[in-house]
Amino acid sequence: NAGVMQNPRHLVRRRGQEARLRCSPMKGHSHVYWYRQLPEEGLKFMVYLQKENIIDESGMPKERFSAEFPKEGPSILRIQQVVRGDSAAYFCASSPETRRSYEQYFGPGTRLTVT
Amino acid sequence: RKEVEQDPGPFNVPEGATVAFNCTYSNSASQSFFWYRQDCRKEPKLLMSVYSSGNEDGRFTAQLNRASQYISLLIRDSKLSDSATYLCVVDLRAGGTSYGKLTFGQGTILTVHP
Repeated sequence: NAGVMQNPRHLVRRRGQEARLRCSPMKGHSHVYWYRQLPEEGLKFMVYLQKENIIDESGMPKERFSAEFPKEGPSILRIQQVVRGDSAAYFCASSPETRRSYEQYFGPGTRLTVT
Repeated sequence: RKEVEQDPGPFNVPEGATVAFNCTYSNSASQSFFWYRQDCRKEPKLLMSVYSSGNEDGRFTAQLNRASQYISLLIRDSKLSDSATYLCVVDLRAGGTSYGKLTFGQGTILTVHP
């Protein structure tokens, strides 16, 4: 059973460009979470999605950031007009619908560098 | 006040030592508690869940005190491979429904040396 997959693993963008980060949850998992880890900081919750639904986006910056989890395909975190402060590691996690404790399995992360 | 606060560390201990990490959380509605481990900025990996009755997994023992909103992790007989950042993690819930919005502490760095 493959784990959570994220791509790309490393992404370099110039200021003003768009960044697209992809996450494929573990097989059988229908809940996806995105977290951001800024340099020298802890992980911060960004958004929680189920298929075709955004459940909680309270951690998403108000502008430039969006996320989706379509019926088919991976979840996408999109950052428009990136700035240097967006440089961070972005982790995706998934959990199965039936797990009461929602223990989450994390992907390897995408390291975004904005130059 | 941070939602989840950990010992700042870092901890540098010799092999074989016993080391304890502490963590406090501010939201009394928190329902689930975990310790995760993160190596060299890789993805966090679940180390163990934490229950009110306390739980043990080999050399690792976790304790939860709901009244004090306090969580601990004890590592006995430290190994070189235990060197990592240990993250205290809390699952907040809204309206009685768990939706897995994990809140992470800053992490405590542990280095075990020969």
